Amino acid sequence: EVQVVESGGGFIKPGGSLRLSCAVSGVTFINAWVSWVRQAPGKGLEWVGRIKSTTDGGTTDYAAPVKGRFTISRDDSKDMVYLQMNRLTTEDTAVYYCTHLREMTFADWGQGTLVIVSS
Amino acid sequence: EIVLTQSPGTLSLSPGQRASLSCRASQSISGNSLAWYQQKPGQTPRRLIYDASTRATGIPDRFSGSGSGTDFTLTISRLEPEDFAVYYCQQYVIIPRTFGQGTKVDIK
Repeated sequence: EVQVVESGGGFIKPGGSLRLSCAVSGVTFINAWVSWVRQAPGKGLEWVGRIKSTTDGGTTDYAAPVKGRFTISRDDSKDMVYLQMNRLTTEDTAVYYCTHLREMTFADWGQGTLVIVSS
Repeated sequence: EIVLTQSPGTLSLSPGQRASLSCRASQSISGNSLAWYQQKPGQTPRRLIYDASTRATGIPDRFSGSGSGTDFTLTISRLEPEDFAVYYCQQYVIIPRTFGQGTKVDIK
């Protein structure tokens, strides 16, 4: 069974930085594609970005609102994916979900971690 | 970017009724690269359908997906009490991945 567990959310002031972590188990991690999806309070789902599997090059893609501020990375030795978020604004307040992709879709979701950006 | 427009915004139905949810894309989605997700209040989204019509593992057969090109439909043949939730469509043919704004199915 695939398990996805996020951590690292919290309260941060505008302009600050935060790093979220995502542990993925139950899969061969070097083959795992992982995305981050966020959901602002009371709003819909928004794709943040993805990292391909190491076997597929480990490259990343980002949504326009976060490009240049957010960075997704992976540590295959720890079966972990990270979301480094810099220059945070109030618009980044959301629950951040880590998702494991299968058939190119968000098949396995973590429980989410809440990030609140406020002064 | 592909914009997905879901309709209606809210669907008010009774248990046992049939639900039809629409998802329209701003441009053609090749390969039927469209998925549907269900999200219940306070819960994590769950994948229901991928490739427009393939049910994910463990999804009851009362859920079905159809469509191609720019028009897709999620059908729930007979609503069960646990099906009252918000449903999102999502395309994965191009980056950025995009979601529809959601359709809420609530109890009439």
